[in-house]
Amino acid sequence: KAGVTQTPRYLIKTRGQQVTLSCSPISGHRSVSWYQQTPGQGLQFLFEYFSETQRNKGNFPGRFSGRQFSNSRSEMNVSTLELGDSALYLCASSLEGQGSPEQYFGPGTRLTVT
Amino acid sequence: LAKTTQPISMDSYEGQEVNITCSHNNIATNDYITWYQQFPSQGPRFIIQGYKTKVTNEVASLFIPADRKSSTLSLPRVSLSDTAVYYCLVVRNSGYSTLTFGKGTMLLVSP
Repeated sequence: KAGVTQTPRYLIKTRGQQVTLSCSPISGHRSVSWYQQTPGQGLQFLFEYFSETQRNKGNFPGRFSGRQFSNSRSEMNVSTLELGDSALYLCASSLEGQGSPEQYFGPGTRLTVT
Repeated sequence: LAKTTQPISMDSYEGQEVNITCSHNNIATNDYITWYQQFPSQGPRFIIQGYKTKVTNEVASLFIPADRKSSTLSLPRVSLSDTAVYYCLVVRNSGYSTLTFGKGTMLLVSP
Protein backbone atom coordinates (compact mmCIF):
# COMPACT_ATOMS: atom_id res chain seq x y z
CA LYS A 1 0.00 0.00 0.00
CA ALA A 2 1.41 3.41 -0.93
CA GLY A 3 2.36 5.73 1.91
CA VAL A 4 1.45 9.35 2.49
CA THR A 5 2.69 11.55 -0.32
CA GLN A 6 3.33 15.26 -0.20
CA THR A 7 4.00 17.68 -3.02
CA PRO A 8 6.08 19.57 -3.66
CA ARG A 9 9.01 18.30 -1.61
CA TYR A 10 10.85 21.62 -1.70
CA LEU A 11 9.64 25.14 -2.23
CA ILE A 12 11.21 28.59 -2.15
CA LYS A 13 8.93 31.60 -1.81
CA THR A 14 9.32 35.29 -1.17
CA ARG A 15 7.89 37.20 1.80
CA GLY A 16 4.33 38.30 1.14
CA GLN A 17 3.55 35.52 -1.32
CA GLN A 18 1.18 32.67 -0.66
CA VAL A 19 1.76 28.94 -0.97
CA THR A 20 -0.34 25.80 -1.29
CA LEU A 21 0.93 22.40 -0.18
CA SER A 22 -0.71 19.11 -1.07
CA CYS A 23 -1.06 15.83 0.79
CA SER A 24 -2.43 12.49 -0.38
CA PRO A 25 -3.22 10.14 2.51
CA ILE A 26 -2.93 6.39 2.58
CA SER A 27 -5.84 4.78 0.76
CA GLY A 28 -8.76 4.33 3.14
CA HIS A 29 -7.54 6.91 5.67
CA ARG A 30 -10.03 9.70 6.16
CA SER A 31 -8.23 11.71 8.83
CA VAL A 32 -5.46 14.07 7.69
CA SER A 33 -3.40 16.20 10.05
CA TRP A 34 -0.83 18.90 9.32
CA TYR A 35 2.20 19.79 11.43
CA GLN A 36 4.90 22.44 11.22
CA GLN A 37 8.45 21.62 12.30
CA THR A 38 11.07 24.26 12.97
CA PRO A 39 14.36 24.07 14.88
CA GLY A 40 13.12 26.55 17.46
CA GLN A 41 9.55 25.41 18.11
CA GLY A 42 9.82 21.74 17.20
CA LEU A 43 6.82 19.85 15.86
CA GLN A 44 3.59 21.78 16.22
CA PHE A 45 0.06 20.71 15.29
CA LEU A 46 -1.66 22.92 12.72
CA PHE A 47 -5.05 21.31 12.04
CA GLU A 48 -6.82 18.04 11.39
CA TYR A 49 -9.47 17.23 8.80
CA PHE A 50 -11.92 14.38 8.68
CA SER A 51 -14.56 13.88 6.00
CA GLU A 52 -13.90 17.33 4.54
CA THR A 53 -14.43 19.06 7.91
CA GLN A 54 -11.83 20.67 10.11
CA ARG A 55 -12.12 18.81 13.39
CA ASN A 56 -9.19 20.23 15.36
CA LYS A 57 -7.05 23.32 15.08
CA GLY A 58 -3.76 24.29 16.64
CA ASN A 59 -2.63 27.70 17.78
CA PHE A 60 -1.64 29.27 14.47
CA PRO A 61 -2.75 32.57 12.90
CA GLY A 62 -5.51 32.70 10.31
CA ARG A 63 -2.93 32.96 7.54
CA PHE A 64 -2.70 29.18 7.84
CA SER A 65 -5.69 27.39 6.39
CA GLY A 66 -6.52 24.06 4.92
CA ARG A 67 -9.16 21.96 3.29
CA GLN A 68 -9.93 18.36 2.51
CA PHE A 69 -11.52 16.97 -0.60
CA SER A 70 -14.02 14.14 -0.97
CA ASN A 71 -11.21 11.71 -1.83
CA SER A 72 -9.51 12.64 1.49
CA ARG A 73 -6.67 14.49 -0.21
CA SER A 74 -5.83 17.66 1.66
CA GLU A 75 -4.22 20.99 0.95
CA MET A 76 -2.89 23.62 3.26
CA ASN A 77 -2.43 27.23 2.32
CA VAL A 78 -0.28 29.91 3.89
CA SER A 79 -0.98 33.48 2.83
CA THR A 80 1.22 36.54 3.24
CA LEU A 81 4.32 34.48 3.94
CA GLU A 82 6.72 35.59 6.65
CA LEU A 83 10.35 34.59 7.14
CA GLY A 84 9.31 32.64 10.23
CA ASP A 85 7.10 30.38 8.12
CA SER A 86 10.23 28.65 6.81
CA ALA A 87 9.81 25.12 8.06
CA LEU A 88 9.23 21.48 7.26
CA TYR A 89 5.50 20.95 6.81
CA LEU A 90 4.38 17.43 7.57
CA CYS A 91 1.15 15.73 6.74
CA ALA A 92 -0.09 12.60 8.50
CA SER A 93 -3.04 10.34 7.89
CA SER A 94 -4.79 7.84 10.13
CA LEU A 95 -7.75 5.53 10.39
CA GLU A 96 -10.58 6.12 12.81
CA GLY A 97 -10.73 3.50 15.48
CA GLN A 98 -10.40 2.51 19.08
CA GLY A 99 -7.89 4.22 21.30
CA SER A 100 -5.57 6.65 19.63
CA PRO A 101 -4.86 5.57 16.08
CA GLU A 102 -1.33 5.51 14.76
CA GLN A 103 -0.51 8.42 12.47
CA TYR A 104 1.42 7.80 9.27
CA PHE A 105 3.57 10.73 8.26
CA GLY A 106 4.63 11.80 4.81
CA PRO A 107 8.16 12.95 3.92
CA GLY A 108 7.23 16.61 4.30
CA THR A 109 7.50 19.76 2.23
CA ARG A 110 10.51 21.94 2.99
CA LEU A 111 9.39 25.57 2.62
CA THR A 112 11.97 28.33 2.54
CA VAL A 113 10.77 31.94 2.67
CA THR A 114 13.29 34.58 1.58
CA LEU B 1 -3.09 16.49 28.00
CA ALA B 2 -0.28 15.57 30.37
CA LYS B 3 3.08 17.22 29.75
CA THR B 4 5.95 14.81 29.10
CA THR B 5 9.57 15.11 30.22
CA GLN B 6 12.37 13.05 28.71
CA PRO B 7 16.16 13.45 28.45
CA ILE B 8 17.36 15.83 25.77
CA SER B 9 20.00 13.42 24.51
CA MET B 10 21.50 9.97 25.09
CA ASP B 11 24.58 8.21 23.77
CA SER B 12 25.02 4.50 23.22
CA TYR B 13 27.15 1.98 21.34
CA GLU B 14 26.12 -0.58 18.79
CA GLY B 15 24.78 -3.78 20.30
CA GLN B 16 23.76 -2.22 23.60
CA GLU B 17 20.25 -2.03 25.00
CA VAL B 18 18.95 1.53 25.30
CA ASN B 19 16.26 2.59 27.75
CA ILE B 20 14.66 6.01 27.39
CA THR B 21 12.46 7.08 30.29
CA CYS B 22 9.64 9.57 30.02
CA SER B 23 7.69 11.11 32.88
CA HIS B 24 4.05 12.11 32.54
CA ASN B 25 2.85 12.85 36.06
CA ASN B 26 -0.58 14.18 35.14
CA ILE B 27 -1.65 11.42 32.77
CA ALA B 28 -5.41 10.90 32.70
CA THR B 29 -7.30 7.62 32.93
CA ASN B 30 -8.19 7.61 29.25
CA ASP B 31 -4.73 8.52 27.94
CA TYR B 32 -2.30 6.25 26.10
CA ILE B 33 1.48 6.51 25.95
CA THR B 34 2.91 6.53 22.45
CA TRP B 35 6.44 6.72 21.07
CA TYR B 36 7.52 8.00 17.69
CA GLN B 37 10.94 7.97 16.00
CA GLN B 38 12.17 10.64 13.62
CA PHE B 39 15.19 10.68 11.33
CA PRO B 40 16.53 14.00 9.98
CA SER B 41 14.35 15.57 7.28
CA GLN B 42 11.77 12.79 7.51
CA GLY B 43 8.36 12.53 9.10
CA PRO B 44 8.04 10.78 12.47
CA ARG B 45 7.35 7.06 12.50
CA PHE B 46 5.17 5.27 15.06
CA ILE B 47 7.13 2.83 17.23
CA ILE B 48 4.86 1.57 19.97
CA GLN B 49 1.86 2.43 22.10
CA GLY B 50 0.66 1.18 25.44
CA TYR B 51 -1.73 1.76 28.32
CA LYS B 52 -0.25 -0.23 31.19
CA THR B 53 2.26 -2.98 32.06
CA LYS B 54 4.40 -4.10 29.14
CA VAL B 55 3.96 -3.99 25.39
CA THR B 56 6.41 -5.54 22.96
CA ASN B 57 6.66 -5.50 19.19
CA GLU B 58 9.36 -6.34 16.67
CA VAL B 59 11.06 -2.99 17.19
CA ALA B 60 10.86 -2.13 20.90
CA SER B 61 9.33 -2.76 24.30
CA LEU B 62 7.38 -0.29 26.38
CA PHE B 63 7.26 -0.61 30.16
CA ILE B 64 4.57 1.25 32.09
CA PRO B 65 4.40 0.96 35.90
CA ALA B 66 1.10 0.64 37.74
CA ASP B 67 0.83 4.35 38.54
CA ARG B 68 1.42 5.21 34.85
CA LYS B 69 3.31 8.37 35.80
CA SER B 70 6.29 7.31 33.74
CA SER B 71 7.17 4.94 30.95
CA THR B 72 10.35 3.44 29.51
CA LEU B 73 11.03 2.72 25.87
CA SER B 74 13.52 -0.13 25.50
CA LEU B 75 15.45 -0.64 22.27
CA PRO B 76 17.30 -3.98 22.25
CA ARG B 77 20.75 -4.19 20.67
CA VAL B 78 20.79 -0.82 18.91
CA SER B 79 22.56 -0.25 15.61
CA LEU B 80 23.89 2.90 13.94
CA SER B 81 20.59 3.20 12.07
CA ASP B 82 18.76 3.71 15.37
CA THR B 83 20.34 7.16 15.66
CA ALA B 84 17.28 9.41 15.67
CA VAL B 85 15.04 11.59 17.82
CA TYR B 86 12.57 9.65 19.96
CA TYR B 87 9.37 11.34 21.10
CA CYS B 88 7.23 10.27 24.03
CA LEU B 89 3.64 11.44 23.70
CA VAL B 90 0.51 11.18 25.79
CA VAL B 91 -2.49 10.75 23.53
CA ARG B 92 -6.20 10.78 24.36
CA ASN B 93 -8.38 7.71 23.81
CA SER B 94 -10.79 9.51 21.53
CA GLY B 95 -10.95 7.42 18.39
CA TYR B 96 -8.68 9.83 16.63
CA SER B 97 -5.41 11.46 17.60
CA THR B 98 -3.94 14.92 17.65
CA LEU B 99 -0.30 14.60 18.53
CA THR B 100 1.41 17.06 20.87
CA PHE B 101 5.16 16.68 20.48
CA GLY B 102 7.75 17.73 23.03
CA LYS B 103 11.45 18.18 22.38
CA GLY B 104 12.18 14.48 22.20
CA THR B 105 15.38 12.58 23.01
CA MET B 106 18.22 12.66 20.51
CA LEU B 107 19.79 9.17 20.59
CA LEU B 108 23.26 8.90 19.12
CA VAL B 109 24.57 5.39 18.51
CA SER B 110 28.29 5.07 17.92
CA PRO B 111 30.33 2.15 16.53
